[in-house]
Amino acid sequence: NAGVTQTPKFRILKIGQSMTLQCTQDMNHNYMYWYRQDPGMGLKLIYYSVGAGITDKGEVPNGYNVSRSTTEDFPLRLELAAPSQTSVYFCASSPGQGNSPLHFGNGTRLTVT
Amino acid sequence: KQEVTQIPAALSVPEGENLVLNCSFTDSAIYNLQWFRQDPGKGLTSLLLIQSSQREQTSGRLNASLDKSSGRSTLYIAASQPGDSATYLCAAYNYGQNFVFGPGTRLSVLP
Repeated sequence: NAGVTQTPKFRILKIGQSMTLQCTQDMNHNYMYWYRQDPGMGLKLIYYSVGAGITDKGEVPNGYNVSRSTTEDFPLRLELAAPSQTSVYFCASSPGQGNSPLHFGNGTRLTVT
Repeated sequence: KQEVTQIPAALSVPEGENLVLNCSFTDSAIYNLQWFRQDPGKGLTSLLLIQSSQREQTSGRLNASLDKSSGRSTLYIAASQPGDSATYLCAAYNYGQNFVFGPGTRLSVLP
C-alpha cells in the first residue's frame, strides 16, 4: 500500500521558472492538503481540497495554484518561482476533515536560486 | 486565531528515561489534537489523535493527554529508546477550520 506519494524528492529552480509538484494517494481519501515547512516553523497550509473538483485557499496561497480533477491526484503548481518559495513541501490526505489522522507523503525539497 | 507552541525546541535524554513533551494552544475550543513524529528527510507520521471529549490516548509506550481548560497537551514517552529520536509535532483542530501545527520538539535519546 503506497499511501501518499510525492514527486520529485528534490528540485532546484531558477527565479521565474515554473514547476508542478505531484501528489497522489491510493487510500480513496476525500481530503487532501498541501503544506510547506520552513526551518524552526510549524507546517503552513497552502491549499486544500475536500473532494474532486473542489479546492480552497489555506493560510499561505500566494504564488501557488492547485487542481483536483480526480480523487487520487492533487498537484501543486508554482508560477514564477521566487526565493521565498524555497521550502520543503508536504502533501497529506485524510478520509474526513479534522476527525481522522492525517497521512503524509515524504516531501519535496525545493530550492529557488 | 489558533496558535500552537511547543517548548522546548530541543531535548536530549539518556536511554531508558521517561519524558514529557509539551504542546500549548491558545483557543480552548478545539475539536481534537494530533501528535506526529517526523524523522529527518521524511514526512510526518500520526502517532495519536485525541478527541475533545477524551482526556488521554495511549499507544504502546506513548500516552497523550489533553486539558482544554489550560490549553495544554502532553505526550509522555515511557522507557525512551534511541529509536525514539525524532521531531515531535502537535497540531490542533478547531471545527470548520484546519489543523494548526506547532513548530515541534527535536528529541535525542542518547545510548
